[in-house]
Amino acid sequence: QQQVKQSPQSLIVQKGGISIINCAYENTAFDYFPWYQQFPGKGPALLIAIRPDVSEKKEGRFTISFNKSAKQFSLHIMDSQPGDSATYFCAASDSGNTPLVFGKGTRLSVIA
Amino acid sequence: EAGVTQSPTHLIKTRGQQATLRCSPISGHTSVYWYQQALGLGLQFLLWYDEGEERNRGNFPPRFSGRQFPNYSSELNVNALELEDSALYLCASSLVLLVSDTQYFGPGTRLTVL
Repeated sequence: QQQVKQSPQSLIVQKGGISIINCAYENTAFDYFPWYQQFPGKGPALLIAIRPDVSEKKEGRFTISFNKSAKQFSLHIMDSQPGDSATYFCAASDSGNTPLVFGKGTRLSVIA
Repeated sequence: EAGVTQSPTHLIKTRGQQATLRCSPISGHTSVYWYQQALGLGLQFLLWYDEGEERNRGNFPPRFSGRQFPNYSSELNVNALELEDSALYLCASSLVLLVSDTQYFGPGTRLTVL
């Protein structure tokens, strides 16, 4: 019930391409879905977050798509750049007394 | 504005020893969270402190414990270390009690148990 399943585990994308990372959850009480970006040797940093009252949120080249009925959400990185190479984590929480539940991460490599 | 700081950067211990990890939150943040990031397992929630009290605890044995001090800094203690405790331990802080508020992470402490 508390798991967030993330796929793929790793992803290689050509520079300029679209990177897509998917997450699925079971707990219908989840109402906050952030994505974190982590570079080697650094802690995760919040990239973008969405609540279930909207189906899509865009910030620059990063877009979250949210499908409440399917209990899935995804991160799209448009015009992927080598500087986007990092590990991406999706997460979820119910804004109550429970902490963030993280997916296992996706290691993205953007090659020129 | 200074970010979340953690010390030490690296810590090497042997089985059975105790480890103490420290975290200083962003100024003004009252909530501190601890996560374990083991290879291939993502981030696993350990402990959450706010205003000096433990608010929630993850699925970890009691030998993982901690506390939050009056200045909101926090300490994670791991007793009777086991080999599988080797991981990156991340601390995060947020401004208010709601978990949906942004959590800002520190760089972590790499714990190696030999």
